[in-house]
Amino acid sequence: ELKVEQNPLFLSMQEGKNYTIYCNYSTTSDRLYWYRQDPGKSLESLFVLLSNGAVKQEGRLMASLDTKARLSTLHITAAVHDLSATYFCAVDGRKGTYKYIFGTGTRLKVLA
Amino acid sequence: DAGITQSPRHKVTETGTPVTLRCHQTENHRYMYWYRQDPGHGLRLIHYSYGVKDTDKGEVSDGYSVSRSKTEDFLLTLESATSSQTSVYFCAISGTGGLDEKLFFGSGTQLSVL
Repeated sequence: ELKVEQNPLFLSMQEGKNYTIYCNYSTTSDRLYWYRQDPGKSLESLFVLLSNGAVKQEGRLMASLDTKARLSTLHITAAVHDLSATYFCAVDGRKGTYKYIFGTGTRLKVLA
Repeated sequence: DAGITQSPRHKVTETGTPVTLRCHQTENHRYMYWYRQDPGHGLRLIHYSYGVKDTDKGEVSDGYSVSRSKTEDFLLTLESATSSQTSVYFCAISGTGGLDEKLFFGSGTQLSVL
């Protein structure tokens, strides 16, 4: 059974600081996805990582994928209040099936 | 925004009654999904569909059934609702390849079973 674990589950940080969210998974998938959810809203796609070593960056967020370690990271640089949200990673449960399994999410709060 | 419509947006029902949630898409995507979101559990996959009349169970499928008779519609049915099925339900769609190879989510349905 596929397990997708994120840590930390909760993160409170000051504006201007850096931090990393981790996503570990138990399958051999080489595809990983990051989503953002604002309170009371739906989810929106942030990054699609489709191969080992993939790195994507948008603004203050950078995501990377290490398929050998079954690990993805979401790095936050110089956090700002607008980044406060819940972040989810998701993995294709069985390669090529598009059966996406999610982690439990990391709730990020950036303090001004 | 991807064309996904969930209905109803909110529903309150009583234990033991049947409930059907509808997801409608206008993107002609092959894959459709139902997830539930609960505090402390993230999103959990209930069922998904990989084509018309083709469905598969997810992580938490007990007590739920689905049907997909047309590409654009994916129905989730709770045959006899229980309080443990109180949750926010999200429909999602996905294409294959390129920019569509990710999930696009609907706005969600808040279901309360009393």
